[in-house]
Amino acid sequence: TQLLEQSPQFLSIQEGENLTVYCNSSSVFSSLQWYRQEPGEGPVLLVTVVTGGEVKKLKRLTFQFGDARKDSSLHITAAQPGDTGLYLCAGGRTNAGKSTFGDGTTLTVKP
Amino acid sequence: GAVVSQHPSRVICKSGTSVKIECRSLDFQATTMFWYRQFPKKSLMLMATSNEGSKATYEQGVEKDKFLINHASLTLSTLTVTSAHPEDSSFYICSARDWAGASDTQYFGPGTRLTVL
Repeated sequence: TQLLEQSPQFLSIQEGENLTVYCNSSSVFSSLQWYRQEPGEGPVLLVTVVTGGEVKKLKRLTFQFGDARKDSSLHITAAQPGDTGLYLCAGGRTNAGKSTFGDGTTLTVKP
Repeated sequence: GAVVSQHPSRVICKSGTSVKIECRSLDFQATTMFWYRQFPKKSLMLMATSNEGSKATYEQGVEKDKFLINHASLTLSTLTVTSAHPEDSSFYICSARDWAGASDTQYFGPGTRLTVL
């Protein structure tokens, strides 16, 4: 079983603060996705990273894929209440079946 | 990005009845779709992998006779919860795999809230 460990599980911060969410595994993935999910809705894809060491930026969000493609991080700068949600990482393997999902990080940004 | 729809978004049914949930990929073909169940404030729990034109692959502990999956076309998969009971009440989410490009990415539907009375 390929596990993806996400940390922290819960995070509550004030608007304007920075934060980092981690996604770690002992397995190598060919790609890794980050999703954000709001209550009562399906997860929405934020980014896909495929190359070891890759860094992608999406406005205030910075995603990094580890050099060995076993881990990833999501950094949010100057968090806003609209960033509140459940953040999920998912690892995929080329030509494999299902993806492996982390347990999620519930982020609450207080105004 | 790729769009996946799910219908219905909410359903309330009586215990013992069956409920069908549809999952459609709107702008791409999906040979593989996935069905998840999600409990409050928890991550996604994979129930089964739906393969177009063949039988679904169920995860350990998921009753295939209770959760019937049909993937009759490249854009449609259905999940039927048979003889539903209150413990089946949950948020059910489907996803469709888009193999385009170099990555393997799943796109999710908006989910279906099932309440069994």
